[in-house]
Amino acid sequence: GQQLNQSPQSMFIQEGEDVSMNCTSSSIFNTWLWYKQEPGEGPVLLIALYKAGELTSNGRLTAQFGITRKDSFLNISASIPSDVGIYFCAGIYPYTGANSKLTFGKGITLSVRP
Amino acid sequence: SAVISQKPSRDICQRGTSLTIQCQVDSQVTMMFWYRQQPGQSLTLIATANQGSEATYESGFVIDKFPISRPNLTFSTLTVSNMSPEDSSIYLCSVADRAKNIQYFGAGTRLSVL
Repeated sequence: GQQLNQSPQSMFIQEGEDVSMNCTSSSIFNTWLWYKQEPGEGPVLLIALYKAGELTSNGRLTAQFGITRKDSFLNISASIPSDVGIYFCAGIYPYTGANSKLTFGKGITLSVRP
Repeated sequence: SAVISQKPSRDICQRGTSLTIQCQVDSQVTMMFWYRQQPGQSLTLIATANQGSEATYESGFVIDKFPISRPNLTFSTLTVSNMSPEDSSIYLCSVADRAKNIQYFGAGTRLSVL
């Protein structure tokens, strides 16, 4: 089945720094989603991407749908302590309209040092 | 986005018992899903909860262990049966927004089995 690769497992940055995460797959996806999960909570949708090459922003977050449709990137600019959490990428393929299953990456745990 | 409420938020259970988790959505949705997130791991789809028919289970998950009900378009339950310590996980329900091809998640139920 499809697998999404996220690495490294953990990232440690200084407050104010920018950080970039990527997600790769050997399979093509036609929708890429980025979620953030904080302790005690479920994943919260950050950004959804639908077209190859698409670049979408949500505040300090920017994500891109790779041209090959096999990867996606999430950038966080000017990090702040509340950016701490686990960032998951997820892909949907194929889109059948009847049962669009998500495949999740393993997640990247982000720590921000004040 | 849909507001999803899960109950209980956490529980500690004895080996051999069963726990039923409820998922309530504030609007009618066609597709609801149940996921498991083992400690420190990503999300794995257990099944799609189908309204009016039997749930569709993913490979490795069976109805006898994880019976699911979906009596209407706003509610579903997942039962974890005959629990063992290996069932200690976070169980999450999600709903699909088919028009946007995305999923929203509840806060999850944190289950510990002793």
